[in-house]
Amino acid sequence: DTAVSQTPKYLVTQMGNDKSIKCEQNLGHDTMYWYKQDSKKFLKIMFSYNNKELIINETVPNRFSPKSPDKAHLNLHINSLELGDSAVYFCASRSSGGGLRETQYFGPGTRLLVL
Amino acid sequence: GQNIDQPTEMTATEGAIVQINCTYQTSGFNGLFWYQQHAGEAPTFLSYNVLDGLEEKGRFSSFLSRSKGYSYLLLKELQMKDSASYLCAVMPSGGYNKLIFGAGTRLAVHP
Repeated sequence: DTAVSQTPKYLVTQMGNDKSIKCEQNLGHDTMYWYKQDSKKFLKIMFSYNNKELIINETVPNRFSPKSPDKAHLNLHINSLELGDSAVYFCASRSSGGGLRETQYFGPGTRLLVL
Repeated sequence: GQNIDQPTEMTATEGAIVQINCTYQTSGFNGLFWYQQHAGEAPTFLSYNVLDGLEEKGRFSSFLSRSKGYSYLLLKELQMKDSASYLCAVMPSGGYNKLIFGAGTRLAVHP
């Protein structure tokens, strides 16, 4: 069973379109994250939800809107896609309780290419 | 600001030992993680340090000095499959446990 899964794995779309990517975790974790990894492989946090509540919102254009229907799911909707949005988007989740339990586990990534 | 530095690339020979360094400056400190990322795949957890000293886990060890803002990942008995990027990540304090990642060190292991 996959612990953190994402769909789709690949997404190719035209500039200006709206698209969504989805994430699900079956680890029973309370907190989920979206990260963006650009062409230089730099992994940068975008958002985090804890029990469906948004707790981290980094400096991200408001074309990006996360949604967490329950603590096992975190989706990311992107409006008016731009060329610079091309990247790999990783979902991650973690438990709570301090120490090693803070380890984040990553999904397989969604490779987004905007043409 | 928050800053994490690690070398961009390293090369090593199969069977050898390699040390990947990471220095950090963050607002507080709640732990340091090392992740391995093979090309086209997700980062996978390798190690966690929160207290000073060495944590050993099979062929991989990680060291932390909080006073120096310094960590290293030591890989012994290198195998070809160890060719990957190694990401250093720090959890600052008071940040809802977010991770700040370094740019990663791309390690190439040669026969």
